[in-house]
Amino acid sequence: GDSVTQMEGPVTLSEEAFLTINCTYTATGYPSLFWYVQYPGEGLQLLLKATKADDKGSNKGFEATYRKETTSFHLEKGSVQVSDSAVYFCALSPYGFNKFYFGSGTKLNVKP
Amino acid sequence: EAGVTQFPSHSVIEKGQTVTLRCDPISGHDNLYWYRRVMGKEIKFLLHFVKESKQDESGMPNNRFLAERTGGTYSTLKVQPAELEDSGVYFCASSQSGTARNEQFFGPGTRLTVL
Repeated sequence: GDSVTQMEGPVTLSEEAFLTINCTYTATGYPSLFWYVQYPGEGLQLLLKATKADDKGSNKGFEATYRKETTSFHLEKGSVQVSDSAVYFCALSPYGFNKFYFGSGTKLNVKP
Repeated sequence: EAGVTQFPSHSVIEKGQTVTLRCDPISGHDNLYWYRRVMGKEIKFLLHFVKESKQDESGMPNNRFLAERTGGTYSTLKVQPAELEDSGVYFCASSQSGTARNEQFFGPGTRLTVL
């Protein structure tokens, strides 16, 4: 069945460090891929998305590229800030379906 | 424009009691979804409404869970009777129809604790 696997946290980085959160998926067909972020005390917010192979989603300095050959959608940011501290969820939506499959979330702590 | 709202934000109940969670989607969104995150694990799909109809309820764990969407507007999720393993955070999301349907907007969640 469809599923998402993302690296376990927590991930602790110093401000201005480079961030990578790994995400791989299993799906039939051509799913859409997403990263959602949950800041403390808030709901999930869409961070970025990609709907087909080789697409790059980007927002707020974060990027992720839809790699069909490696079934991956790794999240990257060149220089993290304290305000990026949050839980990040990778998700997929199978083609033709509306429901999402989420990973278990990765908590990011950024220290000044 | 108001986002997806959920009520209550927290609920603490005893095993065997009944709890009803409410979700108000973004106005005009035909699609409404319920998800659950248990004990820091992955967020799991529960069900999907299109307007007032259940489109997909494959994720509902058992018949103690009942979801309704009155008139295609707000939705309720009732757990009766609640068990310890029902504890978790329940998220509601909504989306438009058509090509924008993949973008789901989430509410802040309801944290349910069953003692």
